[in-house]
Amino acid sequence: ETGVTQTPRHLVMGMTNKKSLKCEQHLGHNAMYWYKQSAKKPLELMFVYSLEERVENNSVPSRFSPECPNSSHLFLHLHTLQPEDSALYLCASSQEFGRGTDTDTQYFGPGTRLTVL
Amino acid sequence: AQKVTQAQTEISVVEKEDVTLDCVYETRDTTYYLFWYKQPPSGELVFLIRRNSFDEQNEISGRYSWNFQKSTSSFNFTITASQVVDSAVYFCALRQIQGAQKLVFGQGTRLTINP
Repeated sequence: ETGVTQTPRHLVMGMTNKKSLKCEQHLGHNAMYWYKQSAKKPLELMFVYSLEERVENNSVPSRFSPECPNSSHLFLHLHTLQPEDSALYLCASSQEFGRGTDTDTQYFGPGTRLTVL
Repeated sequence: AQKVTQAQTEISVVEKEDVTLDCVYETRDTTYYLFWYKQPPSGELVFLIRRNSFDEQNEISGRYSWNFQKSTSSFNFTITASQVVDSAVYFCALRQIQGAQKLVFGQGTRLTINP
């Protein structure tokens, strides 16, 4: 595997379900990100982890719970979602975070298309 | 506050035509990074270019070229001799070099290249 991978690629869930999205980066990077891409809205940054510590949480509802067990893996745990949470969830990684240099450039995975019924 | 505007929501051209995607940004910072990403139907955002605000030299990479004009706060992207495989949504983005360093995206431009 190369780059950033995400599983599953598609997920359909009911509002009472609990599911998790997985992201894995094979680039040796130290920072990982979750973004939400809804129709007709710009990409929204949800969470940032640097060296497995959460460094940013952009007012995301608590029904989204991130987990970063190591620098290569990032999870997004979902529970009691709403239909408006249906979107493409993109994971990204960068070599570093917060240096203000080109090592902050983010590389993205293919996304998980989530549909909440 | 930072903002990126891609006024062209959709563009459709015939193969081999040249096409320019516009990007205008707003920031109070004197130094920042600008980016272009391509999102093909498969979904992932593919990194195309990063430009530092103090480097206004235009860049060419094959059929792609970028025109950075700091005076007009624009960072336009031109595809020469377009091909069907160029069909995608293209995003322009801005990131601070200091402070929060959040990547701020434009709304994207959906480019369709017709054979």
